Amino acid sequence: GAGVSQSPRYKVAKRGQDVALRCDPISGHVSLFWYQQALGQGPEFLTYFQNEAQLDKSGLPSDRFFAERPEGSVSTLKIQRTQQEDSAVYLCASSPGQRNQPQHFGDGTRLSIL
Amino acid sequence: DQQVKQNSPSLSVQEGRISILNCDYTNSMFDYFLWYKKYPAEGPTFLISISSIKDKNEDGRFTVFLNKSAKHLSLHIVPSQPGDSAVYFCAASKETSGSRLTFGEGTQLTVNP
Repeated sequence: GAGVSQSPRYKVAKRGQDVALRCDPISGHVSLFWYQQALGQGPEFLTYFQNEAQLDKSGLPSDRFFAERPEGSVSTLKIQRTQQEDSAVYLCASSPGQRNQPQHFGDGTRLSIL
Repeated sequence: DQQVKQNSPSLSVQEGRISILNCDYTNSMFDYFLWYKKYPAEGPTFLISISSIKDKNEDGRFTVFLNKSAKHLSLHIVPSQPGDSAVYFCAASKETSGSRLTFGEGTQLTVNP
C-alpha cells in the first residue's frame, strides 16, 4: 500500500511481558516518528529517526522503551517489562524529510496491558 | 506544560454552516502549523498546514488562519458536511527540533444533517 502500515493493530499483553510494535513507512520517506496517544489526549512525541539514525529520543518515557530502524526503512518500537501505564495507542508517522512537509500517520497499534 | 491548547473539547454545527476550530500555542519558536482529522480507530489524516511566514492558507472547503502576535490559529470549514464529523487536532513544530509535532488535545466536531 501507499500509506504508513503498522502491525499489529491490537496487542494485549500481561504486565511484565515484552512487546514489539512494527512500522512500515511510506517508501522513500527519510523521517520516521513514533508517538504515544493516551485516551482523550493528543499524540505525544516519543522518538525520531532520519534514515537509520535516531536523532531524538527525548520523548521515550523510560529506559524500558527502545526503538530502532536499522536499514533506514522499517522501524520497531520495543517495550520491555510492560506496565499498565504503557497502555495506549502507539502511532508511527513518516515524512519526506524536507522542511515543512507534513507527517503522514499509520492507523496505530492499540496496546493493552493487563 | 501544554504548549498547544485546544480549549473546546467539542463543537456542534448544522450542515452547510461554517465550522470554526481554534488553537492557541505558547512557544514562539513554532514555525509550522498543521491540522489533522481523526476518525475512530484510524490514525490522524493530514488536512492542511501553514508556515509562519503566511497568515492564511486555503484548500477547498478548508482555510487555516494564523495570528502570530496572538499565538492563535483557526481552521474554518465551509460549508460543513456530516462527513466532516471527527476529532480535529492542531499541531505545531519548529524546524530546529527535526519537525517533531506538538499536538493539542483535540476538538470533537459534530456536523448535524
